[in-house]
Amino acid sequence: EAGVAQSPRYKIIEKRQSVAFWCNPISGHATLYWYQQILGQGPKLLIQFQNNGVVDDSQLPKDRFSAERLKGVDSTLKIQPAKLEDSAVYLCASSSTTTNEKLFFGSGTQLSVL
Amino acid sequence: AQSVTQLDSQVPVFEEAPVELRCNYSSSVSVYLFWYVQYPNQGLQLLLKYLSGSTLVKGINGFEAEFNKSQTSFHLRKPSVHISDTAEYFCAVSGEGAQKLVFGQGTRLTINP
Repeated sequence: EAGVAQSPRYKIIEKRQSVAFWCNPISGHATLYWYQQILGQGPKLLIQFQNNGVVDDSQLPKDRFSAERLKGVDSTLKIQPAKLEDSAVYLCASSSTTTNEKLFFGSGTQLSVL
Repeated sequence: AQSVTQLDSQVPVFEEAPVELRCNYSSSVSVYLFWYVQYPNQGLQLLLKYLSGSTLVKGINGFEAEFNKSQTSFHLRKPSVHISDTAEYFCAVSGEGAQKLVFGQGTRLTINP
């Protein structure tokens, strides 16, 4: 079974630039999550999708972050404009259920904002 | 709202020694509890979970954890560690159902030969 795919693996940008991350979940998984993991901290949920609808985006900084999941399959997370404090690993995860009983994570995109 | 505290940021142990990684949680409702492991350059992987029933939960790779409601703890244990267990371990909690999963800060387990 193919896992959760994410790209790019690494990204370096300057502050105020824009960046986009892509995620393809495990086939058939209806629930998709984006997490932000700052160095030395645990992952923090940014947004959760159920199919192509948003379930929870309470911790998404909506003035600069946006995410979409067209057709309920792959997803894109965008930051515009980026700030220094956005430097982190962005993790995508998917689940076959609507609960959090088991999440499958991708390897993440490491973002450095200079 | 739920929160998680992992009491040790780093735990060094010798190979074949036992290990315990500590996790305390805070919640006003019934909880689900999880341990995830992150090997170098890989995504997080579910190690074990407590949803209900027996308070002693067994997971992959010989790990187990015990849910202690009175002490609000969910410590992870392994009787004998191997070099391959070197990784970052995250404790996580969510309310029942589809509530948000909240992670602790992580504990880096280092195995010395």
